[in-house]
Amino acid sequence: GAVVSQHPSRVICKSGTSVKIECRSLDFQATTMFWYRQFPKQSLMLMATSNEGSKATYEQGVEKDKFLINHASLTLSTLTVTSAHPEDSSFYICSAPLLGRASYEQYFGPGTRLTVT
Amino acid sequence: ELKVEQNPLFLSMQEGKNYTIYCNYSTTSDRLYWYRQDPGKSLESLFVLLSNGAVKQEGRLMASLDTKARLSTLHITAAVHDLSATYFCAVDGKTSGSRLTFGEGTQLTVNP
Repeated sequence: GAVVSQHPSRVICKSGTSVKIECRSLDFQATTMFWYRQFPKQSLMLMATSNEGSKATYEQGVEKDKFLINHASLTLSTLTVTSAHPEDSSFYICSAPLLGRASYEQYFGPGTRLTVT
Repeated sequence: ELKVEQNPLFLSMQEGKNYTIYCNYSTTSDRLYWYRQDPGKSLESLFVLLSNGAVKQEGRLMASLDTKARLSTLHITAAVHDLSATYFCAVDGKTSGSRLTFGEGTQLTVNP
């Protein structure tokens, strides 16, 4: 199956600093990618839709100035958490759908665990 | 707003037993997904259900979809310890553009 990678897998940063997370589709092109956040013992919550060549679409309640998304190419989307605070500590997961194919499969990255101290 | 509800949220069962996890959703959907998540890991795709009456099976797991009832089930047959994980259903609504709305998850523990 198709592969989506994320980097880094784990990051610890100090409060007030910014952290960038990369999401790559390794063997297919993704005009759209999705960013989810998962707190411990909770479900996944969609944060935003990353669109190649255009602005990201944010879900209600997600601060677009805090969570900057850039989809610079058909295989790479980045999420930058700006001025991170301890409450931003979470598991961030990206996904990319294989649009246009009969399978309608969505492929998830391995996730990035962010800890803000 | 699309809502997805799973039940039960917690399930403890003995090896060898059968059980069903239910997933209800509130609006018309194009596609229904089932995922497995192990602790500290991302999601593993189990099934994609595309149409009313769809049934898919893989090993001890079988998933079905009833779009009229807006209900999907994940049936576990003769559970084994290795099936212990959290199971999520997710729905791609007709106007969602592939954006998934997830259920709360069902934490399954299979005891020897």
